[in-house]
Amino acid sequence: DAGVIQSPRHEVTEMGQEVTLRCKLISGHNSLFWYRQTMMRGLELLIYFNNNVPIDDSGMPEDRFSAKMPNASFSTLKIQPSEPRDSAVYFCASSLKGAGEKLFFGSGTQLSVL
Amino acid sequence: KNEVEQSPQNLTAQEGEFITINCSYSVGISALHWLQQHPGGGIVSLFMLSSGKKKHGRLIATINIQEKHSSLHITASHPRDSAVYICAVKGGSQGNLIFGKGTKLSVKP
Repeated sequence: DAGVIQSPRHEVTEMGQEVTLRCKLISGHNSLFWYRQTMMRGLELLIYFNNNVPIDDSGMPEDRFSAKMPNASFSTLKIQPSEPRDSAVYFCASSLKGAGEKLFFGSGTQLSVL
Repeated sequence: KNEVEQSPQNLTAQEGEFITINCSYSVGISALHWLQQHPGGGIVSLFMLSSGKKKHGRLIATINIQEKHSSLHITASHPRDSAVYICAVKGGSQGNLIFGKGTKLSVKP
């Protein structure tokens, strides 16, 4: 298996634009996590899916952020409209079941909103 | 006070030294993760433990549930061990991980 695959690796956009980040899970994994990492706040959970269903979205900053799992192997995180304070590295991770199992991280998307 | 505290924040060592990174937490947990983030940014899971000790190569992780403390040890350190080491604890919610701020380790040749 190729591991968790994220795209794009880097995204530079202007304030107000829509941004879509993509993640492909490891085959057979049932849990999907989106994390955001900044210098100030470190790693933070944005949203957690189990079996394609959002279980915990308490970390999603506001209505500008939305996440979907259209199927068992793929997820998107969308920011619309984007703002400079959204600049961060966004990681996707998957596991067999929940955060009590080993996590496998994607390589991250470095987002810069100008 | 942060729920997960790591120490030290920064650590510089000479190649071959024995290294210890500490993690203390204030919440009840069911699991604790040690993660490694290399300068390139990628994150790798090193250990996931809920009791006792685990060993993988030169890395050893221990946890004391009563004292709410975990340690990550690196024996015979090498410059390629240079990375940020992050402790994360799993609380009650199945998906919720609380992360420490990380310990930046630099091993000099």
